[in-house]
Amino acid sequence: DAGITQSPRHKVTETGTPVTLRCHQTENHRYMYWYRQDPGHGLRLIHYSYGVKDTDKGEVSDGYSVSRSKTEDFLLTLESATSSQTSVYFCAISPGLAGHEQFFGPGTRLTVL
Amino acid sequence: AQSVTQLGSHVSVSEGALVLLRCNYSSSVPPYLFWYVQYPNQGLQLLLKYTTGATLVKGINGFEAEFKKSETSFHLTKPSAHMSDAAEYFCAVNGRFGNEKLTFGTGTRLTIIP
Repeated sequence: DAGITQSPRHKVTETGTPVTLRCHQTENHRYMYWYRQDPGHGLRLIHYSYGVKDTDKGEVSDGYSVSRSKTEDFLLTLESATSSQTSVYFCAISPGLAGHEQFFGPGTRLTVL
Repeated sequence: AQSVTQLGSHVSVSEGALVLLRCNYSSSVPPYLFWYVQYPNQGLQLLLKYTTGATLVKGINGFEAEFKKSETSFHLTKPSAHMSDAAEYFCAVNGRFGNEKLTFGTGTRLTIIP
């Protein structure tokens, strides 16, 4: 299995509080991604990174920010959590080579009350 | 731009019967195509992928998929369903020539009837 960990694995928080999710990889892959998974929507890309300090928005980036200060870590921050951000969040990594798949972490279940 | 349509959000088959999960894609460039499986409370795991070459692709756990350009399809099949195949399955596409983002379908939940 690709070396990807996510922390925390479960979190319950209140509306308006900041939340940071961490993704850590040991594969030295260039690309890292954050997705959210919701019933009926599949996986939707929030943000991705193509190198240290290089990030770009995905299709559902509003309300989220990311940072990547080291190759192995990619942080997702909800500046002020809302109930609509209750979801399961997955991190993925990829070497970014043509035709190469992405490898997924175990996910973080976030509940915003 | 690309998109993926998975027909049928829920599919039920009897143990030992054929599994057929449908995926149609839209892509403005030749695609790379992927099938992932997700077991309860886990991340996604790659089943198989099509990049170039043979259009019939074999994956793990006895699954295979055929790339049909004329039909823009990449349906997933397994000749004989097993109880352990119960999971959610996602089809995904990305375009060639530097597009490193995957676009996922909305998923198909497969139930196996004993």
